[in-house]
Amino acid sequence: GNSVTQMEGPVTLSEEAFLTINCTYTATGYPSLFWYVQYPGEGLQLLLKATKADDKGSNKGFEATYRKETTSFHLEKGSVQVSDSAVYFCALIEATSGTYKYIFGTGTRLKVLA
Amino acid sequence: ETGVTQSPTHLIKTRGQQVTLRCSSQSGHNTVSWYQQALGQGPQFIFQYYREEENGRGNFPPRFSGLQFPNYSSELNVNALELDDSALYLCASNRNGDSPLHFGNGTRLTVT
Repeated sequence: GNSVTQMEGPVTLSEEAFLTINCTYTATGYPSLFWYVQYPGEGLQLLLKATKADDKGSNKGFEATYRKETTSFHLEKGSVQVSDSAVYFCALIEATSGTYKYIFGTGTRLKVLA
Repeated sequence: ETGVTQSPTHLIKTRGQQVTLRCSSQSGHNTVSWYQQALGQGPQFIFQYYREEENGRGNFPPRFSGLQFPNYSSELNVNALELDDSALYLCASNRNGDSPLHFGNGTRLTVT
């Protein structure tokens, strides 16, 4: 079945450092891909998405490119801030008989130090 | 625009009891999905409701059931609670099939 694999955390960075969180997927076809972010005590918020190969999703300085050759959707940010500390989830959407369910990775915790 | 709201925020139950969790979907959204997020894990799909009918189900036993009401709000019911049911339960709504999910802040269920 479809699955998402993320790099294990926690990832600890200093403010203004470069961030990469790796995500690879296994899927039938070419599903839409997403990054969600979860701040402490909150639900998940959509960070960015890409719906087809070579699409680049971007938001709030974060970027991810849909790479079908490597089945990857790595999240990057050029300069992280303390406020970026959160758990990041990579996900794909699986469509079966009219049902659209999201399959999430296990999440990667990011901690940014001032 | 009102977002997804869930109640209660926290709940403690005893093994064998039953629980009902509630969710109001975001304005304009007609599809509601429920996810279970165990500690340190990603959310797992429980089921989805569209136009008051269950529209798909994940790998959860029948003691997990739900309802969707005409105003698109929803309930998740869990019978015969087990210790492993302790988790954060997330409700999410969206406008149609593959549009992005909008999540509530979840209900933290603890089963003792």
